[in-house]
Amino acid sequence: DTTVKQNPRYKLARVGKPVNLICSQTMNHDTMYWYQKKPNQAPKLLLFYYDKILNREADTFEKFQSSRPNNSFCSLYIGSAGLEYSAMYLCASSRGGTGQDTQYFGPGTRLLVL
Amino acid sequence: GDSVTQTEGQVTVSESKSLIINCTYSATSIAYPNLFWYVRYPGEGLQLLLKVITAGQKGSSRGFEATYNKETTSFHLQKASVQESDSAVYYCALRGSNAKLTFGKGTKLSVKS
Repeated sequence: DTTVKQNPRYKLARVGKPVNLICSQTMNHDTMYWYQKKPNQAPKLLLFYYDKILNREADTFEKFQSSRPNNSFCSLYIGSAGLEYSAMYLCASSRGGTGQDTQYFGPGTRLLVL
Repeated sequence: GDSVTQTEGQVTVSESKSLIINCTYSATSIAYPNLFWYVRYPGEGLQLLLKVITAGQKGSSRGFEATYNKETTSFHLQKASVQESDSAVYYCALRGSNAKLTFGKGTKLSVKS
């Protein structure tokens, strides 16, 4: 089973409110990723966990938080949502920590901030 | 930094006709990046369609092919005869020295019967 699950599939949030998105995988993958996808733009890597180590991209460092309570779950947290956070959020996982292995993606969570 | 360009945002092809989706790349982090095509069918997550890690080689899957051309820095996706079930969004991507995937904007393929 190469399924990555994301909850919720759709999320409506108010400006200034927190948002928490959940991702899970049962493949025992070491690495879990979060991407942001906006219309007419390429998916953009926000951060990834290799085992318990969090790596955040420099230009999104302060905007997103994440936690990985165990190997199977990973969350993406926005402390105070702004209109610019409206996007599709894609979670992915891969077996290794070098990025050499295939990334398996979930169906995404569509976030709309009003 | 690394970048991937897909010039067509949307392509419409009649069933059983041939397809080519263009992809060019620029890799500053590594001389010969790994190249990928991902596909997203409606309602599903991104799936790896094919990958090529060696310059000059061709990858193929489900009737699709792509050749890693380091001279033209291209990785165009081709299929001889498309089917309605091929309707999806196709993303070209590269993996550079930091192992990070850099995607193109995607090309939406609509196959009409």
